[in-house]
Amino acid sequence: NAGVTQTPKFRVLKTGQSMTLLCAQDMNHEYMYWYRQDPGMGLRLIHYSVGEGTTAKGEVPDGYNVSRLKKQNFLLGLESAAPSQTSVYFCASSTRRLADSYNEQFFGPGTRLTVL
Amino acid sequence: KQEVTQIPAALSVPEGENLVLNCSFTDSAIYNLQWFRQDPGKGLTSLLLIQSSQREQTSGRLNASLDKSSGRSTLYIAASQPGDSATYLCAVVHMDSSYKLIFGSGTRLLVRP
Repeated sequence: NAGVTQTPKFRVLKTGQSMTLLCAQDMNHEYMYWYRQDPGMGLRLIHYSVGEGTTAKGEVPDGYNVSRLKKQNFLLGLESAAPSQTSVYFCASSTRRLADSYNEQFFGPGTRLTVL
Repeated sequence: KQEVTQIPAALSVPEGENLVLNCSFTDSAIYNLQWFRQDPGKGLTSLLLIQSSQREQTSGRLNASLDKSSGRSTLYIAASQPGDSATYLCAVVHMDSSYKLIFGSGTRLLVRP
């Protein structure tokens, strides 16, 4: 049981390049999330999914796209990377809505992305 | 708009000391509050989750309290150890957005041997 895994761990891009970050979970969770964490700030929600085939925008969705074709995978895409997207990206998953009783979020180890 | 604040941003204490980390939020309409630990270069690990109807939760040397009416939560760490050194984040689930956590910026804790 690996929990939540993220690929790759590190990546350096040039401005304008594209890439996809992969998140996988083996806990059969319905909900999955992508966050970014910038220095001195907490995590901010980019996009989330409430089940296979669904996606929705979070707080800071601009410049990112997501897909949830399989329940266990949640992909985050950058079509044309910008220096402002330099950040650490975290994926998370949960069984149900966060508002439900005793429902925790489980996080992956993060992907450190630098855009030059 | 719900905002979560953690003060201080950094804290350094000698080993063995009991300590309190603070978290405040601007809107008391929350479902729950969660404390996380983040080690350098790692993801977040959930420590304690307090439902809005609860006052506190305990796990080992950790005790988290919640005072929803005043918009405050504290994380108490007893008999601190160097292994407790990490960044501690609190986050709330606000009632107008049950799908997301709203995070504070964290308190970076250093426990000196």
